[in-house]
Amino acid sequence: DQQVKQNSPSLSVQEGRISILNCDYTNSMFDYFLWYKKYPAEGPTFLISISSIKDKNEDGRFTVFLNKSAKHLSLHIVPSQPGDSAVYFCAASARISNFGNEKLTFGTGTRLTIIP
Amino acid sequence: DTEVTQTPKHLVMGMTNKKSLKCEQHMGHRAMYWYKQKAKKPPELMFVYSYEKLSINESVPSRFSPECPNSSLLNLHLHALQPEDSALYLCASSQDSSRQGARGTQYFGPGTRLTVL
Repeated sequence: DQQVKQNSPSLSVQEGRISILNCDYTNSMFDYFLWYKKYPAEGPTFLISISSIKDKNEDGRFTVFLNKSAKHLSLHIVPSQPGDSAVYFCAASARISNFGNEKLTFGTGTRLTIIP
Repeated sequence: DTEVTQTPKHLVMGMTNKKSLKCEQHMGHRAMYWYKQKAKKPPELMFVYSYEKLSINESVPSRFSPECPNSSLLNLHLHALQPEDSALYLCASSQDSSRQGARGTQYFGPGTRLTVL
């Protein structure tokens, strides 16, 4: 049962244009959402996050939008740059213990290619 | 500094070998995690340590044995692995989530690429 889904395995965008990556989730217990970027043979790098009490969070070229009613979030990158080419994972977080540990559930990833 | 380091970067082992993966962070994080990632798949949680105590084991086979010697170090001891255990093993850490505004973000190391022959 895939609780976090990224339905587009790949996306190609022209340099300078906007990249929009989408993510859907099914578990209402998720209350914190993150985007990670991953290069081959490296660990995921944290990009941006959003709490379920917000609908938008912005950090430089990256903006994450959350639509709780639709259980949908998206990552906007503008303007897109060649260095943005990587696999992007959406992750959803739920508390799993009294210590406040977070369990991240990852989507399957979207490979973004920025065309110069 | 949001660095998590992992050693070795690559490891090749036979099915009868015993080896260990190491992870270290100096961010003062009190939660540490082991993930396994197969090719073209998302990372899957294996273990969670909180304040040096194992708090979550996601039904991982006993041939994987985690250890947290102190708040900065996390080991994963490997014994009698199978070829299907070949994967990228990722370590991550996060702050004490009881602190306001600190929850949610896990920082990952570069991973150890494990090949079991």
